[in-house]
Amino acid sequence: QVQLQESGPGLVKPSQTLSLTCTVSGDSISSGGYYWSWIRQHPGKGLEWIVYFFYSGSTYYNPSLKSRVTISGDTSKNQFSLKLSSVTAADTAVYYCARLWGGYFDYWGQGTLVTVSS
Amino acid sequence: QSVLTQPPSASGTPGQRVTISCSGSHSNIGSNTVNWYQQLPGTAPKLLIYSNNRRPSGVPDRFSGSKSGTSASLAISGLQSEDEADYYCAPWDDSLNGPVFGGGTKLTVL
Repeated sequence: QVQLQESGPGLVKPSQTLSLTCTVSGDSISSGGYYWSWIRQHPGKGLEWIVYFFYSGSTYYNPSLKSRVTISGDTSKNQFSLKLSSVTAADTAVYYCARLWGGYFDYWGQGTLVTVSS
Repeated sequence: QSVLTQPPSASGTPGQRVTISCSGSHSNIGSNTVNWYQQLPGTAPKLLIYSNNRRPSGVPDRFSGSKSGTSASLAISGLQSEDEADYYCAPWDDSLNGPVFGGGTKLTVL
């Protein structure tokens, strides 16, 4: 059973960098065939894809966020991380990590709320 | 504002059949398969339908999906109280080179 778990600060100050980590169990982020991704959901709103990457290959960004997003992986810990720079209140959201395969997200983390506020 | 259009709300009584529509364009629904996610209150989204009409293991056959042209639909038959949730359509979008999500439909079981 594949499981994903997000972790990171729940409060970030404006203009700072939001950093989150997703720990994966039941699968390896370096195994072939799957992309690993981040998605967010603004309070009371719909879902927005942020970024996805193939560990030994390419990374794809939502154009609206590309300039502020960095994604990386750590195979020794079977984790991947998101960094979103220069945050504003508009970045307040629940952030989910998920596994992407065949164009759909088949496994999701439980999500973590990040609030941007001074 | 999503590039996909879903009705913001839908409702039905227990046992009824309800459908939720999703309208898109050539670059998303028109060129790719459609996936649907169910989000129960306070929880993460869950894959409900993939590749237009396929159900992951464990999803009841009361849930079905279809696609025609640049539109897709999710049907729920034999509606149950536990089906009360938000439902999102999500095809791939060739222009974005990534997935797009509909705005979501809140289903209320009366």
